[in-house]
Amino acid sequence: AQSVTQPDIHITVSEGASLELRCNYSYGATPYLFWYVQSPGQGLQLLLKYFSGDTLVQGIKGFEAEFKRSQSSFNLRKPSVHWSDAAEYFCAVASSGGSNYKLTFGKGTLLTVNP
Amino acid sequence: DTAVSQTPKYLVTQMGNDKSIKCEQNLGHDTMYWYKQDSKKFLKIMFSYNNKELIINETVPNRFSPKSPDKAHLNLHINSLELGDSAVYFCASSVSGSVWAFFGQGTRLTVV
Repeated sequence: AQSVTQPDIHITVSEGASLELRCNYSYGATPYLFWYVQSPGQGLQLLLKYFSGDTLVQGIKGFEAEFKRSQSSFNLRKPSVHWSDAAEYFCAVASSGGSNYKLTFGKGTLLTVNP
Repeated sequence: DTAVSQTPKYLVTQMGNDKSIKCEQNLGHDTMYWYKQDSKKFLKIMFSYNNKELIINETVPNRFSPKSPDKAHLNLHINSLELGDSAVYFCASSVSGSVWAFFGQGTRLTVV
């Protein structure tokens, strides 16, 4: 069965510092990978996705992620964090459920940004 | 215009009550989902529908009954609410066969 592990429950960075959020997945086939962000009291917003091709994918808000098959990882990065980036970040892998796909999420990483 | 909208946004109710959460999408998608986010923020799929047909049912108690009157709507009815049902419920939609889903804002259900 597919699974997603986000090893860091909570990360604190200073504004302007670089950020890397870790994600490891377990899936037998070629994975479809996602990063979602959930701001306090808000829904889930898609940051970026990997389906195939270039292993470095660009997303919204200056985020990027790199797919490394050998490490089963899909880490999220941002070169300079803004205070508005404080939120919960979820990594997810899509798997087939019949004719539909379903997302299996990691347990999330809470990002705190210090001024 | 909201792409995936859920009502209500907040719902507080007593144990044993029956309640419904409504979801509508105006994206023209034909696949809709319900996900549950528990108190530890863990997100897990509950159901998915494709063209009003149930496709995924992730061993959810029978007290939960999704209903899809048409492709644009997927409502969630919960009978005999229990304390453990307290969670945020997210509706999502996608194009059939697509792995990319759009999520609603969530409904925070609190059972007291």
